[in-house]
Amino acid sequence: DIQMTQSPSSLSASVGDRVTITCRASQGIRNALGWYQQKPGKAPKRLIYAASSLQSGVPSRFSGSGSGTEFTLTISSLQPEDFATYYCLQHNSFPNTFGGGTKVEIK
Amino acid sequence: QVQLVESGGGVVQPGRSLRLSCSASGFIFSSYAMYWVRQAPGKGLEWVTLISYDGSDKYYADFVKGRFSISRDNSKNTLYLQMNSLRAEDTAVYYCASSPLVTFDYWGQGTLVTVSS
Repeated sequence: DIQMTQSPSSLSASVGDRVTITCRASQGIRNALGWYQQKPGKAPKRLIYAASSLQSGVPSRFSGSGSGTEFTLTISSLQPEDFATYYCLQHNSFPNTFGGGTKVEIK
Repeated sequence: QVQLVESGGGVVQPGRSLRLSCSASGFIFSSYAMYWVRQAPGKGLEWVTLISYDGSDKYYADFVKGRFSISRDNSKNTLYLQMNSLRAEDTAVYYCASSPLVTFDYWGQGTLVTVSS
């Protein structure tokens, strides 16, 4: 099974900060990766699909990059509504696997 | 308007069974693969299982293989998760969602399964 190592597990940041979250795959997954945002008590919401494509309706301050084994989610200017937990999901092979999550908290 | 509505959660004793349902509307359910994801209290997301658009292919996480079974009834626009031999560690909110392979992204609100004596 492919392991997805996500880092950091948590971070504190201020409104307006640039935030970067990384996922590393234990083997190559091409660009078969999505990034999800989850707020407490809510279902996850996908922000990025195919590693770098912005989901319809998602603000352009979110971007994704990477291919193969290393992937990055960047929030260019953190907004109050972005405080949440973020997950990556690889769907290159079965079983699909999520990263462990990154909780973005207010500094 | 797209909706995925899960049902069937509740409290069940260890070793017993439960069947979850996910009723879909607002999109062509029969054309897309679907999957189940779960989240134990205070923990991260876990991918559980996926079924192809026509039900011919099914994939499972190792931790549910042999105990859980995914199925679908395209005539009823409904996805199912049959959960047998339930364990305390299966306690979680279970979400159904559209396959990550497609460009749209639909999720249900989740249904809580609690395995406890």
